[in-house]
Amino acid sequence: AQSVTQPDIHITVSEGASLELRCNYSYGATPYLFWYVQSPGQGLQLLLKYFSGDTLVQGIKGFEAEFKRSQSSFNLRKPSVHWSDAAEYFCAVAPLSGGYNKLIFGAGTRLAVHP
Amino acid sequence: GAVVSQHPSRVICKSGTSVKIECRSLDFQATTMFWYRQFPKQSLMLMATSNEGSKATYEQGVEKDKFLINHASLTLSTLTVTSAHPEDSSFYICSARWGGRDPDTQYFGPGTRLTVL
Repeated sequence: AQSVTQPDIHITVSEGASLELRCNYSYGATPYLFWYVQSPGQGLQLLLKYFSGDTLVQGIKGFEAEFKRSQSSFNLRKPSVHWSDAAEYFCAVAPLSGGYNKLIFGAGTRLAVHP
Repeated sequence: GAVVSQHPSRVICKSGTSVKIECRSLDFQATTMFWYRQFPKQSLMLMATSNEGSKATYEQGVEKDKFLINHASLTLSTLTVTSAHPEDSSFYICSARWGGRDPDTQYFGPGTRLTVL
């Protein structure tokens, strides 16, 4: 079945530590790939996206993500987490089957940051 | 750039009444707008897609007579929850896609929390 999986529901890291949030998808053709962050009282903010080309994508706020076709993954990384990064992170895909028009979201990963 | 607003941010209504939620793209013309629903501690589920001047396309399982969508202009889409019931209580989020420079990216509004008593 077609799906987007974020296996980690909740992650806690210490401020200054590195971070990796996992995302796997199950679609026949490589979809467009996105990472969004949702903070309380704010709308989802686009961190980065991958359509084609260089598989290492740089985003805002010091985030990056790497597309690995062989693993059907698009993991989000940050080398040093700040307390302000505490939020809910959503991986999303826009599959070819929807004409790349529809976003399918993963369940989200809630990030807590310890001082 | 690419700012999307929603109004109201929070609404409480009685069962049986109708509620209208507005979604506006403030600094760009949105060729397509989307409406999502998010239950507590869950992900966003696409409800419908609307293009300016045409009827919305609803996802399977979404009642079109219950959730009326009007995309009257390139900057405004409205979602009306008709005859609301407590099970309609949820967080409703819109997004807009900018058909020009960034056609494949959706920009999201802050959401509207609906509580039906």
